[in-house]
Amino acid sequence: GAVVSQHPSRVICKSGTSVKIECRSLDFQATTMFWYRQFPKQSLMLMATSNEGSKATYEQGVEKDKFLINHASLTLSTLTVTSAHPEDSSFYICSARGGTQYFGPGTRLLVL
Amino acid sequence: QKEVEQDPGPLSVPEGAIVSLNCTYSNSAFQYFMWYRQYSRKGPELLMYTYSSGNKEDGRFTAQVDKSSKYISLFIRDSQPSDSATYLCAMTPNSGYSTLTFGKGTMLLVSP
Repeated sequence: GAVVSQHPSRVICKSGTSVKIECRSLDFQATTMFWYRQFPKQSLMLMATSNEGSKATYEQGVEKDKFLINHASLTLSTLTVTSAHPEDSSFYICSARGGTQYFGPGTRLLVL
Repeated sequence: QKEVEQDPGPLSVPEGAIVSLNCTYSNSAFQYFMWYRQYSRKGPELLMYTYSSGNKEDGRFTAQVDKSSKYISLFIRDSQPSDSATYLCAMTPNSGYSTLTFGKGTMLLVSP
């Protein structure tokens, strides 16, 4: 149980394009999902907390207009990186709260 | 002082050794403590989840929490090469709606 999936697992895009990442809780409902980014050999950095049916709460320093989060159902949250630039290249990981947090496998974004 | 301190390693041990991984923290409000294992380019996987002080055992893994010292440990018995990964400690004041505070992670290398 407690499986979280992410799609895509890897994406390469050109600078200026937008990229959408999906996070799904497969066998439980999650009113709260979290989005993290992780740079090489660094720990997870929380970007935002996503609550079903309401606006996401962003951490200090995270641009909400650049990282759009939608949590339209109890099993799906999406992160859209708008007008991506090379500095947005990172490993993006979501988690869903079901007692504790269960993490997805991550999405590696490379912006050329 | 950071909220959660964790030695980044790497910690290198031979197969079969007992491994001790540790975190210290400063926030006395933390009540729930977790250990995650993260393989390279993968999302974190929940290993142990404990509440307050005490020990919890699951197979080859034992988690210890000493709230009086603000110190938590993860012991791995009979370590295997497949245990080679980064181990992240995480903690939160309550299990419900709080975000997790992570350590930076300790890289463990188990050699055959």
